[in-house]
Amino acid sequence: DAMVIQNPRYQVTQFGKPVTLSCSQTLNHNVMYWYQQKSSQAPKLLFHYYDKDFNNEADTPDNFQSRRPNTSFCFLDIRSPGLGDAAMYLCATTGKSSGANVLTFGAGSRLTVL
Amino acid sequence: SQQGEEDPQALSIQEGENATMNCSYKTSINNLQWYRQNSGRGLVHLILIRSNEREKHSGRLRVTLDTSKKSSSLLITASRAADTASYFCATAETSGSRLTFGEGTQLTVNP
Repeated sequence: DAMVIQNPRYQVTQFGKPVTLSCSQTLNHNVMYWYQQKSSQAPKLLFHYYDKDFNNEADTPDNFQSRRPNTSFCFLDIRSPGLGDAAMYLCATTGKSSGANVLTFGAGSRLTVL
Repeated sequence: SQQGEEDPQALSIQEGENATMNCSYKTSINNLQWYRQNSGRGLVHLILIRSNEREKHSGRLRVTLDTSKKSSSLLITASRAADTASYFCATAETSGSRLTFGEGTQLTVNP
């Protein structure tokens, strides 16, 4: 089945130790998003790629970076995680086959910072 | 800033009852969508309603949109324990723009 896969599902890191989360998709969607979701809150958009074009949200901290080496893969790098970065990180995709801007989400990567 | 606000924040009902959740937003929109999120999982798209539509049905789901009041409601009829989840509305200002999510309603359906 076509889907969005995130790895790892659970990541534990130490304060200041870099982390990379990955997202892959088999939908051939051209747009990929990274959202941060803290407990009982709305998902907050960090950045997105429209094809290869990177779009950063104005309030996304510099600590967060992203790479999209090809259509199928996207990575979220957190350079120096702080306690406040503990959250669920959600990858989502959309494309012409989805209609409008309907998002397909992965299952998420839950980050714990010790 | 968040576009959508939802109420109630939490809703607890018995199986078989109907559940109604409301969403208000601030700017003009192209479409409004509802998503469901089971605990610890990603969001799943439920239904989309366009700005020129007033009501839409999908199975046990009924969505209404009132653009004059900038509000939407999601009705789940004959609820089941498996409907227990968080429900989020999301708005798009244009057909291709990014979505902005509301704070969500936590629905608990008791068997």
